[in-house]
Amino acid sequence: NAGVMQNPRHLVRRRGQEARLRCSPMKGHSHVYWYRQLPEEGLKFMVYLQKENIIDESGMPKERFSAEFPKEGPSILRIQQVVRGDSAAYFCASSPSWIQETQYFGPGTRLLVL
Amino acid sequence: DAKTTQPPSMDCAEGRAANLPCNHSTISGNEYVYWYRQIHSQGPQYIIHGLKNNETNEMASLIITEDRKSSTLILPHATLRDTAVYYCIVRVGSMNTGFQKLVFGTGTRLLVSP
Repeated sequence: NAGVMQNPRHLVRRRGQEARLRCSPMKGHSHVYWYRQLPEEGLKFMVYLQKENIIDESGMPKERFSAEFPKEGPSILRIQQVVRGDSAAYFCASSPSWIQETQYFGPGTRLLVL
Repeated sequence: DAKTTQPPSMDCAEGRAANLPCNHSTISGNEYVYWYRQIHSQGPQYIIHGLKNNETNEMASLIITEDRKSSTLILPHATLRDTAVYYCIVRVGSMNTGFQKLVFGTGTRLLVSP
């Protein structure tokens, strides 16, 4: 019974490159959430997706960040033209539905921008 | 902003009960209290949640006051592996979508010592 899977676990990029973070939800879960954790801070909500739909992206930076959850395959968080301030841990969570359903988190992807 | 207040740190002796308090004085009638923990920058781990009744599972107990303005997470027999940051979270609803996201504060850093 695999949990939420994220890859890569560690990602190093140079400024200006693109970062792609992948998240496979738990089996039976069709709702995915992305959170970002800056060093020494708590997690901050970024975006909530269902299959093929973005439901709430109120926490996403307006530029360079995008997310998708296609009908087939994992959810992708894409960061274009990364800057040093994007260095953080990015966590994905999933749930069966959003109505009072518990979110289960993956191990995270640690992005380092040089 | 987080709707909860927690002490920044607590200590507990191994084998003793750890009681972690949380204030959520502005909680609404239909908002749940969730507890997660994060062990050394791993993904947050779900512990327990409740609405107004006390709850217990294999990990912990949750005691919610009758006025729902505060709660206590109880780890009955703390072990060294319970050393972590514990987050008390009130799910915050979205006016636009009805989606309730998790808003993490800074949590309580629990140190369990031998």
